[in-house]
Amino acid sequence: DQQVKQNSPSLSVQEGRISILNCDYTNSMFDYFLWYKKYPAEGPTFLISISSIKDKNEDGRFTVFLNKSAKHLSLHIVPSQPGDSAVYFCAASALETSGSRLTFGEGTQLTVNP
Amino acid sequence: EAGVAQSPRYKIIEKRQSVAFWCNPISGHATLYWYQQILGQGPKLLIQFQNNGVVDDSQLPKDRFSAERLKGVDSTLKIQPAKLEDSAVYLCASSLGVFRSYEQYFGPGTRLTVT
Repeated sequence: DQQVKQNSPSLSVQEGRISILNCDYTNSMFDYFLWYKKYPAEGPTFLISISSIKDKNEDGRFTVFLNKSAKHLSLHIVPSQPGDSAVYFCAASALETSGSRLTFGEGTQLTVNP
Repeated sequence: EAGVAQSPRYKIIEKRQSVAFWCNPISGHATLYWYQQILGQGPKLLIQFQNNGVVDDSQLPKDRFSAERLKGVDSTLKIQPAKLEDSAVYLCASSLGVFRSYEQYFGPGTRLTVT
């Protein structure tokens, strides 16, 4: 049961252009969403998050959009830089689960070409 | 500030053998997590500790996996006996808070290969 799904295994964009990474979820109880970035041989690092009471959160070049009715979130990176090349995971958490369990998607490999 | 430390970084064992992984979280972080990441998938939570107590181990295969966090600091994850499907990266993470602390800091992981 894949509750969080990232349908695009990979994405390639040109430096300076916008990168849009997408994520869909099925569990309507999810109320908090995060994006993590992962470089090879390193653990994931937290990038940006959004609560279900919002539909947008911005941090510098990174913006996350949440469409609750469509159970869809997206991460926009503008402008994209070669250093952004990494695997991006979306993750979600539900109020009814104990602790802070995050359910992760499969990841999208972003490649930003110079 | 030192990050989450894990050892070993790589381990190769034969099926039915046992293996243990070690994690040292960021100093002062109350919550510690162990995740399993199979190739091509996202991390899956195995167990979450709050200090030295277990908060969530619902996804831990308890017939072969065990974990402990003595004194609320370091933690070890053990697999005994290992199966081929246990080949994965085992990630340890920690967070400052206890309940709904989402900003989790991950270590580099231990890549386990079971042959």
